[in-house]
Amino acid sequence: ETGVTQTPRHLVMGMTNKKSLKCEQHLGHNAMYWYKQSAKKPLELMFVYSLEERVENNSVPSRFSPECPNSSHLFLHLHTLQPEDSALYLCASRLGNEKLFFGSGTQLSVL
Amino acid sequence: DAKTTQPPSMDCAEGRAANLPCNHSTISGNEYVYWYRQIHSQGPQYIIHGLKNNETNEMASLIITEDRKSSTLILPHATLRDTAVYYCIVRVYPSGNTPLVFGKGTRLSVIA
Repeated sequence: ETGVTQTPRHLVMGMTNKKSLKCEQHLGHNAMYWYKQSAKKPLELMFVYSLEERVENNSVPSRFSPECPNSSHLFLHLHTLQPEDSALYLCASRLGNEKLFFGSGTQLSVL
Repeated sequence: DAKTTQPPSMDCAEGRAANLPCNHSTISGNEYVYWYRQIHSQGPQYIIHGLKNNETNEMASLIITEDRKSSTLILPHATLRDTAVYYCIVRVYPSGNTPLVFGKGTRLSVIA
């Protein structure tokens, strides 16, 4: 248990659906991240939030929309996804320069 | 951040030491070596990090060569639960909120 909680753990959605992934930490961390991990590929950084401001958007398509309402919560809103978006979506957080803490991820399948 | 090179896969017998190498020949003076691991379908987990001295914690030991161009992560008594992908990452410290960049890592299989 890392203290970073992601829900849901698994998600199946159609290409026309809208869904949201949630990440929550009560570790007092001030930066939060979304990573994507497709099958047999390295982790890819998607978004970085620092003090609730988005500081990096790594050329992610607009069908992925992040939201960070406060320092403890991070969302990834999904709409009109494609089958190639099926992947493990990982949230991570940290305090300053300290080590990253990852959640267990949401395994997403787009049909 | 400097590039790292790791073997794609390794096997280790249960109960034996697992020694995972990492080359980082272009490492600069203010870059640390970090190790994370990722057990199947879970998020990566921090293991250890170091600058130039050898480091040890409850999970592993990190041996960094004197010229800092390579390092070895040692799991002293590997168990089946240590089967995972191990990532060696070189990173400037302090780095602010600059995210970690993960490569392909080494897939360690611990065999009974």
